Amino acid sequence: QQQVKQSPQSLIVQKGGIPIINCAYENTAFDYFPWYQQFPGKGPALLIAIRPDVSEKKEGRFTISFNKSAKQFSLHIMDSQPGDSATYFCAASRGGTASKLTFGTGTRLQVTL
Amino acid sequence: DADVTQTPRNRITKTGKRIMLECSQTKGHDRMYWYRQDPGLGLRLIYYSFDVKDINKGEISDGYSVSRQAQAKFSLSLESAIPNQTALYFCATSAKDKEQAFFGQGTRLTVV
Repeated sequence: QQQVKQSPQSLIVQKGGIPIINCAYENTAFDYFPWYQQFPGKGPALLIAIRPDVSEKKEGRFTISFNKSAKQFSLHIMDSQPGDSATYFCAASRGGTASKLTFGTGTRLQVTL
Repeated sequence: DADVTQTPRNRITKTGKRIMLECSQTKGHDRMYWYRQDPGLGLRLIYYSFDVKDINKGEISDGYSVSRQAQAKFSLSLESAIPNQTALYFCATSAKDKEQAFFGQGTRLTVV
């Protein structure tokens, strides 16, 4: 039973494009929604996170959109670069912290020249 | 030096063998976690510990055990390894009431 569903599984965009990765959650007790970025051979690292009291959060070229009523959130990468090529995981937790994260299945992003 | 260090980085073991994966951290965090990563399944929580005397099962604890030897050390054991435990294992830490989890570089375990 996947509590956080993520799509697509993989994504290829050209440099400058805007990849969008979507996640949906089941548990309404979740109140913290981070995105982690993972490069090959490395552990995941926190990229950006949002709480359900706001509908959007931007950090540099990365934006999270959050729809509480639909129980969905998404990651947008503006002006994508080849260096953004990585696997992206959405996650969710209760209590507003990084404790006991429930992860999505991951999206492998490739940004081509 | 890495803040969260996992050893070994790679390991091949035979079915039925006991194996221990170790994790140490220099971040001073109370909370430590073991996750397993499989293709198409993301990361799943195996065990977590909120302090030295606290051990809790996660989503997929069957076949695994853990030991919190000190605030900085958290080890994962497979008492009798089986092939479907072949996966990438990550240790992570976080501070109480903080938003960020810090992951080690992972241990790639193959059970043959």
